[in-house]
Amino acid sequence: AQKITQTQPGMFVQEKEAVTLDCTYDTSDQSYGLFWYKQPSSGEMIFLIYQGSYDEQNATEGRYSLNFQKARKSANLVISASQLGDSAMYFCAMREGYRGSARQLTFGSGTQLTVLP
Amino acid sequence: DAGITQSPRYKITETGRQVTLMCHQTWSHSYMFWYRQDLGHGLRLIYYSAAADITDKGEVPDGYVVSRSKTENFPLTLESATRSQTSVYFCASTGGHEQYFGPGTRLTVT
Repeated sequence: AQKITQTQPGMFVQEKEAVTLDCTYDTSDQSYGLFWYKQPSSGEMIFLIYQGSYDEQNATEGRYSLNFQKARKSANLVISASQLGDSAMYFCAMREGYRGSARQLTFGSGTQLTVLP
Repeated sequence: DAGITQSPRYKITETGRQVTLMCHQTWSHSYMFWYRQDLGHGLRLIYYSAAADITDKGEVPDGYVVSRSKTENFPLTLESATRSQTSVYFCASTGGHEQYFGPGTRLTVT
């Protein structure tokens, strides 16, 4: 079974509007972390936001927020006020376990976001 | 330069040749990782290292060898390159939650 599922291969959003990128995960661990990375056309991987499984509040970083619904095992990324520079591939990732674990990430297949002027 | 660097950035090699991809980080992070990125698969873990002289396999380790004699370096070697190893390779390191990625190496095996 896929550990990270991103069901939207591609998304379009109008500039200045908000957009939600979906991510569901599968783990039996109680302690885990969820991440979102952005990969622009230039190819680098840019860390956006992190949510720990025990964090009670949704993580926010500037225009990025993570809509964490633990019971549904979803960790959707919300980008507010989209900008043309937000056009990129977005990856959801999970790290299972916490201290003492290997800390490797499992990635989803990504969502290609295009912001329209 | 501070951060995490990879070399070479681009490499073309022939089937059967040995090739080594270099990764260097300046943060003294304990954990380092090698991922490959192929269309439709996102990033997949090849090998990781928890510290110098400690390495372990990831999801797709076949055909690859790693070593880590120094904390800051984590080279990845393709012992006998195959066309299926044509990919973009990312090195990453972490000292906490988020992983920081290098710029990637685009490898083509002809």
